[in-house]
Order: sequence, then C-alpha cells, then structure tokens
Amino acid sequence: AQTVTQSQPEMSVQEAETVTLSCTYDTSENNYYLFWYKQPPSRQMILVIRQEAYKQQNATENRFSVNFQKAAKSFSLKISDSQLGDTAMYFCAFSGGGSQGNLIFGKGTKLSVKP
Amino acid sequence: DGGITQSPKYLFRKEGQNVTLSCEQNLNHDAMYWYRQDPGQGLRLIYYSQIVNDFQKGDIAEGYSVSREKKESFPLTVTSAQKNPTAFYLCASRDLRTANTGELFFGEGSRLTVL
Repeated sequence: AQTVTQSQPEMSVQEAETVTLSCTYDTSENNYYLFWYKQPPSRQMILVIRQEAYKQQNATENRFSVNFQKAAKSFSLKISDSQLGDTAMYFCAFSGGGSQGNLIFGKGTKLSVKP
Repeated sequence: DGGITQSPKYLFRKEGQNVTLSCEQNLNHDAMYWYRQDPGQGLRLIYYSQIVNDFQKGDIAEGYSVSREKKESFPLTVTSAQKNPTAFYLCASRDLRTANTGELFFGEGSRLTVL
C-alpha cells in the first residue's frame, strides 16, 4: 500500500527567509503524481504545486518549488522569500493508478512564518 | 464562480442522532470525495464517487453513509454508529475526463461537534 510521510509536525521560519518541508512516500508504481496542498487558518485547502513522476524537471510556481528525487521517493517543498500569508498547514499527497487514483495524504506540517 | 459549497459550516449533534452534511459543486466534476480531518492525522478518505448512482468506501467508512443521486451533490450522513464523530469534514471534487493530473478542489469544510 502507498504511504506518505511528513516527518516535521511543525516548523517556523522568519519572514523573507527560505524554508523546506520534507515528504517521503512509498510506492511500487512508476507513473504517479505528487502534490503539495496548503490549508490556511481559514481552512480551505488549495493546491500549491504538483509534479508528474515521469517528468525529471522539478516543478516551480513562483516562490514555491519542489525537489523531486524519484529514486529516493522524496518530494520536498521549498518556499522562498517566506511571507506571513504562507502560515498554514501543508499537506503532501500522492496519487497513483493513473489520473483516477485516489489521493493519499501525509499528516501535515504546520508552518508558522514569523515577522 | 465555480466551486464547492459545504453546509453547514458548524454543526452540533447529540449522541445517538444522525446528521447530514451537504456538499454541492458546480464545477461539472465527475468525482466527489469526503475526507475526515483530525489533528495530527492528516486527511482520511471516508467515501468517494466517480459517477452518479455509484460510490465506494474509503479507508474509514464505518458509521457513515453517502448518496450520489445527482452529479452536483454528494451528501454525507454521520450515523449514530460512528463512535467518534467529532471532527472536521472536507468535501472535494475532481475532473476525471481531461488530461488534468488529478487535482482535488476542496470545500471550506464542516465542523461537527457531538455534545
């Protein structure tokens, strides 16, 4: 069975600095998708970034980028120039079985950005 | 604007009562999902549906029931058989038809408290 592990329950970072959130996963599949979701205190979950496993290039969305290491089954999220609005729970998620596979979520990392 | 609407946002229930949480989407998505979120547990899948009049159990379906009579609607009933129903419930939807890589769109959630 696939599993997703986020080993950092809580993290904090100073405003304008860079922080990296860790995520590892376990799967025997070769074709899958990985996601980072953000849940701010207002509670609505939104997609931050996604990565297709067949793509070697790491995904980037503005200040957010990933370090995807397929062999190591690692999918970390780097947030550059952290802003107060980045304060949230961050969930790593895995989706196998093609585009219709259900998402499996990690337990989350609570990130606090301090002024 | 397209999106997912969950209601009510807050709900209180006495032990032994069934309650139904509403989830409506106007995104024309085929698949809909119910997740339960507890502190430190991440998101756990309760039920999902990929087509009208059909649904499947997720990882923690015991004590819950769903229906999918319309594409837009996927209500969740928390029955008296659910032993620990106090939690935050998230509804999500997903477009299975396009080349989309499986992004989930979430509602704002419903907080259920059993008194």
